[in-house]
Amino acid sequence: GQNIDQPTEMTATEGAIVQINCTYQTSGFNGLFWYQQHAGEAPTFLSYNVLDGLEEKGRFSSFLSRSKGYSYLLLKELQMKDSASYLCAVCDSNYQLIWGAGTKLIIKP
Amino acid sequence: DTAVSQTPKYLVTQMGNDKSIKCEQNLGHDTMYWYKQDSKKFLKIMFSYNNKELIINETVPNRFSPKSPDKAHLNLHINSLELGDSAVYFCASSQAVLEPNTGELFFGEGSRLTVL
Repeated sequence: GQNIDQPTEMTATEGAIVQINCTYQTSGFNGLFWYQQHAGEAPTFLSYNVLDGLEEKGRFSSFLSRSKGYSYLLLKELQMKDSASYLCAVCDSNYQLIWGAGTKLIIKP
Repeated sequence: DTAVSQTPKYLVTQMGNDKSIKCEQNLGHDTMYWYKQDSKKFLKIMFSYNNKELIINETVPNRFSPKSPDKAHLNLHINSLELGDSAVYFCASSQAVLEPNTGELFFGEGSRLTVL
């Protein structure tokens, strides 16, 4: 079966750095996505990785290792508004998105 | 301008009723989707339409029927609602589903359905 694993919840301090991990087992791979979802709102696109390595976009970076079936989302200089759920999703060989349950990130002052 | 809009945002109804959720996108995208997000926060795809043709039909009950009058609209009709149908339903769109692009999805705000 296809599976995406990520921690249920994480807590971090404003101004700090946090790394949210995602491991996956899917039938084929056509890219990995990270989405941000604030409570009661729609998911919004953060990043896309299809090749191994680090993609940096402002305070957010996403890393991929296809051989390990592993990705992480790195958030720097945390702000209170970063409190949200972060969803990892993998595009499989049929170009279907397989979603993780999301990691709820709580930022404390 | 709202890219993907869906109505209603909230829907409270009794078991056994029939209800519809409407979705429209003004992004010129070819592909539209319906997702269900349950209390455990998993996003599960229900349907996908590419240029008015159904291309994914996951194992959802046939009480759920998508209708796409044109590629900018994908409506969801639900017959004989059950308690387990309570969830947030998200409409989404993307440029294409089979091209090697980012596949970025643009989501509507969600429709929270509560079945009593």
